[in-house]
Amino acid sequence: QKEVEQDPGPLSVPEGAIVSLNCTYSNSAFQYFMWYRQYSRKGPELLMYTYSSGNKEDGRFTAQVDKSSKYISLFIRDSQPSDSATYLCAMRHNAGNNRKLIWGLGTSLAVNP
Amino acid sequence: SQTIHQWPATLVQPVGSPLSLECTVEGTSNPNLYWYRQAAGRGLQLLFYSIGIDQISSEVPQNLSASRPQDRQFILSSKKLLLSDSGFYLCAWTKGHNEKLFFGSGTQLSVL
Repeated sequence: QKEVEQDPGPLSVPEGAIVSLNCTYSNSAFQYFMWYRQYSRKGPELLMYTYSSGNKEDGRFTAQVDKSSKYISLFIRDSQPSDSATYLCAMRHNAGNNRKLIWGLGTSLAVNP
Repeated sequence: SQTIHQWPATLVQPVGSPLSLECTVEGTSNPNLYWYRQAAGRGLQLLFYSIGIDQISSEVPQNLSASRPQDRQFILSSKKLLLSDSGFYLCAWTKGHNEKLFFGSGTQLSVL
């Protein structure tokens, strides 16, 4: 079993839809959770960063962590064609130690106008 | 502001040929530098990590090597490329214990 599982999709939604992207993990020691967005042929960029459980909101994006279920989510409200990208989750248990980041495979999202 | 430059964007090389990919960071000093490879269906794999000049940690034994001859320069090399070296190579940096990883635009390497 992989430490982090992420459905690769592809996920196709109409413009304006609410999108839910998810990752599950097996290591209960993970405390730091991140979502990166990667456009085609570009490097990933950090979207959301969450420590431990709870929700974090930034504009149209909400990150949610449920440590009891070992499940994290990224919600995108009022999705736009510019949100079409691959979304990668990443997590680790130690602060400031990016060598130990564990990555999901990414979910490909297409938002259709 | 800080920027990261990575080149070339695309590279096609024959099996057995050498490789040199370069990455430079501007606007900061003493960054932590990373080389990742992203292959289809395999996600992001950390290859090398550096906390300073000539300080390189190899995370995965393989056909590649890395060097950091200057504070903000990170080079990925190979003496003889294998087919399995094909992939999307990404350079990234962080500052100290900053949680955010900043990635370059990547190099798509095809070994034929």
